[in-house]
Amino acid sequence: DSGVTQTPKHLITATGQRVTLRCSPRSGDLSVYWYQQSLDQGLQFLIQYYNGEERAKGNILERFSAQQFPDLHSELNLSSLELGDSALYFCASSVGTGASTDTQYFGPGTRLTVL
Amino acid sequence: TQLLEQSPQFLSIQEGENLTVYCNSSSVFSSLQWYRQEPGEGPVLLVTVVTGGEVKKLKRLTFQFGDARKDSSLHITAAQPGDTGLYLCAGAREDNFNKFYFGSGTKLNVKP
Repeated sequence: DSGVTQTPKHLITATGQRVTLRCSPRSGDLSVYWYQQSLDQGLQFLIQYYNGEERAKGNILERFSAQQFPDLHSELNLSSLELGDSALYFCASSVGTGASTDTQYFGPGTRLTVL
Repeated sequence: TQLLEQSPQFLSIQEGENLTVYCNSSSVFSSLQWYRQEPGEGPVLLVTVVTGGEVKKLKRLTFQFGDARKDSSLHITAAQPGDTGLYLCAGAREDNFNKFYFGSGTKLNVKP
């Protein structure tokens, strides 16, 4: 158990819909990262927040948005969903700001299926 | 095209054999990390290598960072079924700390 929690574990929805994925970081961690893992693209970095502020942006689509709240939990919002958005979405957390040197602890993931 | 290319993509070996997984890029990385991911779970960090030429050992696993910091390797000695999983290298480029990249992954299956 990494200490990072993600809800829901599974999500099935239809094209065009909007969903919200939730992540609670490990106690004491200030950074939250979101990743998308699909069979054809592998693990892709989407976005990082540090202490409530956006820190780094990866390959995040404009239809996707995220935020980190004062209690440090984070939400990833996916809208106008397409079949290709079906994937595993992981949240990770770390103490500091640097993904390349910090230890990131990954949650169990949310499996999103868009029908 | 992935910024970090891993080879081989798949590896199926017998228990007790040795193996090496490679992670290559044309870009210079500030550091590289290796993760292992098991089905249905998130990746777990194994090691971080920071200095060019650095070698780190973790029991039967040996990690090396290339001198030019563009490549890395993971060598497993006497593989065991418990080593089965997806191995991923990852890092941030030296000229852009703000984007974190994962490699394409190597799926290892160790048969008893």
